[in-house]
Amino acid sequence: DQQVKQNSPSLSVQEGRISILNCDYTNSMFDYFLWYKKYPAEGPTFLISISSIKDKNEDGRFTVFLNKSAKHLSLHIVPSQPGDSAVYFCAASGSPNTNAGKSTFGDGTTLTVKP
Amino acid sequence: GAGVSQSPRYKVAKRGQDVALRCDPISGHVSLFWYQQALGQGPEFLTYFQNEAQLDKSGLPSDRFFAERPEGSVSTLKIQRTQQEDSAVYLCASSPGRGHEKLFFGSGTQLSVL
Repeated sequence: DQQVKQNSPSLSVQEGRISILNCDYTNSMFDYFLWYKKYPAEGPTFLISISSIKDKNEDGRFTVFLNKSAKHLSLHIVPSQPGDSAVYFCAASGSPNTNAGKSTFGDGTTLTVKP
Repeated sequence: GAGVSQSPRYKVAKRGQDVALRCDPISGHVSLFWYQQALGQGPEFLTYFQNEAQLDKSGLPSDRFFAERPEGSVSTLKIQRTQQEDSAVYLCASSPGRGHEKLFFGSGTQLSVL
């Protein structure tokens, strides 16, 4: 039973357009969500996060939206650039009083931004 | 370097061999995690240390897997009597504190068991 799901294995967009990556979760105890970006032969690197008390967090070209009632979050990248081409992982974690910092990851979405 | 360092980068083992994977976290980071990533999947949690204390080992797949962080810094993940299903990338990550925060990952050790 996968608790964090990224249903689109891949996404291709044109440079300058918006990229929207989606993530669904099933565990209602999750209250902190993160997006990581991964290039080949490297470890994941943190991109952006959101706490469950918010519904939106923005950092430059990256915005994460959280819909708690739907247990859904999305990452928007605008405008998309060729250097954004990578695998994007959605991750979720629970209360710091339980497994502090332990994250459950989705299987990733490979984003390709075409020049 | 300032990042999380893992060694070796690649490891080929014969089935039944014991292996040891090393992780040097960012200096001063309290929390250290080990994850296993199979091909085409996301990282899966193995175990978590807060300083030298192993607080969560619920993700270790069998008693062949053992991790330690004796001085609260460097950590070693040991796999005894390796099996083909152990083939994966093993990622180490660290974070400064104990709560919700981003993880800093190393580049991983790619283990291939023949």
